[in-house]
This record gives sequence, structure tokens and C-alpha cells, in this order.
Amino acid sequence: DVKVTQSSRYLVKRTGEKVFLECVQDMDHENMFWYRQDPGLGLRLIYFSYDVKMKEKGDIPEGYSVSREKKERFSLILESASTNQTSMYLCASTTGDNYGYTFGSGTRLTVV
Amino acid sequence: EDKVVQSPLSLVVHEGDTVTLNCSYEVTNFRSLLWYKQEKKAPTFLFMLTSSGIEKKSGRLSSILDKKELFSILNITATQTGDSAVYLCAVDGNEKLTFGTGTRLTIIP
Repeated sequence: DVKVTQSSRYLVKRTGEKVFLECVQDMDHENMFWYRQDPGLGLRLIYFSYDVKMKEKGDIPEGYSVSREKKERFSLILESASTNQTSMYLCASTTGDNYGYTFGSGTRLTVV
Repeated sequence: EDKVVQSPLSLVVHEGDTVTLNCSYEVTNFRSLLWYKQEKKAPTFLFMLTSSGIEKKSGRLSSILDKKELFSILNITATQTGDSAVYLCAVDGNEKLTFGTGTRLTIIP
């Protein structure tokens, strides 16, 4: 079974801190995605990546950056965390034809 | 901008009832429509639809896509309390998934 692992289930950070959310997949998937999920807004795409060192902005990239130095790992970075970035963050991966997305269990981030 | 709209936003029914969840979309370069079920953790995959008019079925769940009218429905018959969840519709287009806000389904015993 494809596994997508997010490093933390729950995270509490202070305003202004730099925050790293890590995502690792074990099935050699080309495409990886970061979403955030908020009540009433559903899942919104932050960034995605088709290959190592490649990244594309999603619908709400402001305040975020990403890093993909290795194929299996896709990191989401909050350069200076703010309270409006309190949310559930979900990582997903899929093969190059974008079928069969697999999600990680999510990281619930609280910024105080 | 790609858009996916689900209705209703929430639904409360009694065990044994049949429910229909709706998903309409506006997406360029449509490739597929996917349904997910989300309980407490990550969304889990239910169906992927690519062709109009072909029903996909899994137990008490079924789904169909209308590419002319740009919508899909998810039916659940003989609902059970374990069906209580948020059901997400997503459309794969422009090489990314766009999600609707979801329908929260609550089944009362």
C-alpha cells in the first residue's frame, strides 16, 4: 500500500516562528501536493510539485514556500507563522498521470 | 479559475434512508472527478469517474458523472451510522485537484 507520512499530527507554534511541515511518500510518486483544510472552505491547494526541485503555486501560496530536494520528500515552509495559518494541513501524492491520490493523515497546526 | 460546488453543505437523516449528494464543477482540461470520504483523518478514496453515464458502484454507494451538464451525484442507500462523514468531491483538471467544500452527512440511529 502507498503510504504518505506527515511528520507531526499536532503542532503548536508561536507567531513569527519559521515552521517546517514534512511529508514523505514511499511509492516513488512523481507528484506531490500540499493542501490546507478549513471549515466551510474545504481543501485548498497551496503548492504542488511534479519532480525533484520543481514547484508550482497552487491557489493560496501566499505566506508559504516549499522544498523538494528528494523525490520522496515534500516540505511545506511557513516563513513567519501567523495566526491565520492555523489550519489542518494535508499532503498528498500520486503518480504522473494523477490517478489515485493518496493523502497523509494531516497535521493540525495551531499558531498562537 | 476552477470551481467545484457541493450541495447540500450538511445533511441529517435516519439510519436506513437513502441520500443523494451533489457536485457541480467548472474546470478546464477536465480529466476526472473523484469522490472521497473523510472521517477523522485523511480523505479516503471512493470513486473516480471519467466517462459520462457510467455508474460506478461499491456496495451501498454509487456514483455517476454527467460531463455535458458538469455534475456528479453520489448515492448512498440503506444508510448506516458508519456512513457519517464529510464527503468530498474533487475534480482533476489542469494537472491538479480542486476540491469542493464537502457535504457533512450525519446518520441518526
